[in-house]
Amino acid sequence: AQSVTQLDSQVPVFEEAPVELRCNYSSSVSVYLFWYVQYPNQGLQLLLKYLSGSTLVKGINGFEAEFNKSQTSFHLRKPSVHISDTAEYFCAVTRGGAQKLVFGQGTRLTINP
Amino acid sequence: DTGVSQNPRHKITKRGQNVTFRCDPISEHNRLYWYRQTLGQGPEFLTYFQNEAQLEKSRLLSDRFSAERPKGSFSTLEIQRTEQGDSAMYLCASSLKIGTASYNEQFFGPGTRLTVL
Repeated sequence: AQSVTQLDSQVPVFEEAPVELRCNYSSSVSVYLFWYVQYPNQGLQLLLKYLSGSTLVKGINGFEAEFNKSQTSFHLRKPSVHISDTAEYFCAVTRGGAQKLVFGQGTRLTINP
Repeated sequence: DTGVSQNPRHKITKRGQNVTFRCDPISEHNRLYWYRQTLGQGPEFLTYFQNEAQLEKSRLLSDRFSAERPKGSFSTLEIQRTEQGDSAMYLCASSLKIGTASYNEQFFGPGTRLTVL
């Protein structure tokens, strides 16, 4: 069975500082990986996805993530955060042919001025 | 707005009552999913439909839960005899299966927040 672990439940950073949100997954087969963002009282919005090809994936709002198969990780990074990035971030995994997404527990990103 | 819509956005009910939620997917999307998100956790898969056929159900979907998509468009999720443990955000998502593509992006609605007193 697939599982996703987000190593930090909360990450506080100062505005304009870099940030990394960590995600590790477990799966015995090839996987597709995703990062979603959830703003208060809203649904999930896809930030970026890794399906195949280049291991460095660029997404919306200046975010990027790197797929590392040997480390089974898919960490999310942004070089300079803004107040508007305050939200909950979820890492998710699925395998080819499967339909359900398996989500991590989420990381709450708080940006301090 | 042509995104996924869910109604109601909030529902407060007393333990033992039945509740029904509705999800309207993006037009032409043939797949529809339900997830449940409890406080402080990530969403958990409940079930999904391709057109009107319910193709997979999670073990989380107890006998008190039933989902339908009668005409392959909107879907309803009913919870009978609600319990306090049912309090959660219920999220709906839709996607368009194209050919033999192995993954089709899921677009999420805003969710229905259920509170069982």
